[in-house]
Amino acid sequence: QVQLQESGPGLVKPSETLSLTCRVSGYSISSGHYWGWIRQPPGKALEWIGVIYHTAVTHYNPSLKSRVTISVDTSKNQFSLRLSSVTAADTAVYYCARVDCTNNSCYGDNWGRGALVTVSS
Amino acid sequence: QSVLAQPPSVSGAPGQGVTISCTGSSSNIGAGYDVHWYQHLPGTAPRLLIYGNVKRPSGVPDRFSGSKSGTSASLAITGLQAEDEAIYCCQSYDGSVSSWVFGGGTKLTVL
Repeated sequence: QVQLQESGPGLVKPSETLSLTCRVSGYSISSGHYWGWIRQPPGKALEWIGVIYHTAVTHYNPSLKSRVTISVDTSKNQFSLRLSSVTAADTAVYYCARVDCTNNSCYGDNWGRGALVTVSS
Repeated sequence: QSVLAQPPSVSGAPGQGVTISCTGSSSNIGAGYDVHWYQHLPGTAPRLLIYGNVKRPSGVPDRFSGSKSGTSASLAITGLQAEDEAIYCCQSYDGSVSSWVFGGGTKLTVL
């Protein structure tokens, strides 16, 4: 059974860079699948951030693309998120997920429990 | 405001059934993109319930079923149980913004 666990600082200062890591167990990232990040600001809907394949091919939400970097470390079986120049609007619970796709749409088939990141000075 | 519209809440008695709607537009559900559904309790990992409009992952009871028509999709839950009390969220892809899009979530209360 694949399990995902997010980790990283729970508090980030405005204008700084948010960094989170998702450790995967029970499944090798190198075996395939995309791996993704999704967030949920307080009281708002889920928002897709982006995905990465084990070959490091990435796809990002265009609204966040200029600030987002997703990377993968297959040796550690984990992938990471960096979001630069954060503001209070980036305060959210950040989820990592294993991604699967139908022939026209992708989705998270296994998710982590989420990590709350607050942006505040 | 979410791209996909869901009712904020629904409720039903144990043993009864409920349906949760997910309304999109011509750039997402209406464009033919598949719809997926999640069950979520705060503090826990979201759980995939339905993918590809109608398919259930292994382990999801057949009390949960999905459908899609035009610019909308629906999640039906029959034989309500107390453990079904959660937030249900739909998701698809939107070609106009090249992004996954989500509904705002519907809180199911089992009376």
